Amino acid sequence: GENVEQHPSTLSVQEGDSAVIKCTYSDSASNYFPWYKQELGKGPQLIIDIRSNVGEKKDQRIAVTLNKTAKHFSLHITETQPEDSAVYFCAASPFSGGYNKLIFGAGTRLAVHP
Amino acid sequence: DAEITQSPRHKITETGRQVTLACHQTWNHNNMFWYRQDLGHGLRLIHYSYGVQDTNKGEVSDGYSVSRSNTEDLPLTLESAASSQTSVYFCASSETSPTSEQFFGPGTRLTVL
Repeated sequence: GENVEQHPSTLSVQEGDSAVIKCTYSDSASNYFPWYKQELGKGPQLIIDIRSNVGEKKDQRIAVTLNKTAKHFSLHITETQPEDSAVYFCAASPFSGGYNKLIFGAGTRLAVHP
Repeated sequence: DAEITQSPRHKITETGRQVTLACHQTWNHNNMFWYRQDLGHGLRLIHYSYGVQDTNKGEVSDGYSVSRSNTEDLPLTLESAASSQTSVYFCASSETSPTSEQFFGPGTRLTVL
């Protein structure tokens, strides 16, 4: 089955700096890769996603890149702000049968210091 | 507004007791999921359902069961609670599209003593 590894487990940056979180996956059949943000005491919330036919996707200060050959994808946050502090999870989903079961990475705790 | 709720938010129980965690969504989503969240492991899938009367085992299903009698609810039952099941449990729901967003509930913190 699918296995997703995520690095680093913790990341500390200064406000305004960029943050990069990397994930690798094992199942070449996986075709959909969402990223979720979890704030303290809340459930995870989708912030951006990418499909296998796309190499990069941007949404304001966040972007995701995908390298299917190497089976890795990354989240990039530019001009970080204190409200970006949270736990971020990557996930992979085999694109089969019309279903969206997700396998998550272990998470990255991002701290943005003013 | 549509939402997904979980109850209770906090639960303390004793080893060997049966525990049921409730999940209710008003999105009218066919897909529903249960995850547990533990430090260092992220979110691990326990059980999932793609519609009424459909249930499937996830990565860590031993000791857990679910039933889906209607679209809105997917209760999670711990048959005989163990200390290893101390965790935070999240329910999620989504539409049936393969790339549909999963909407998560606020979580239930379960402690098994």
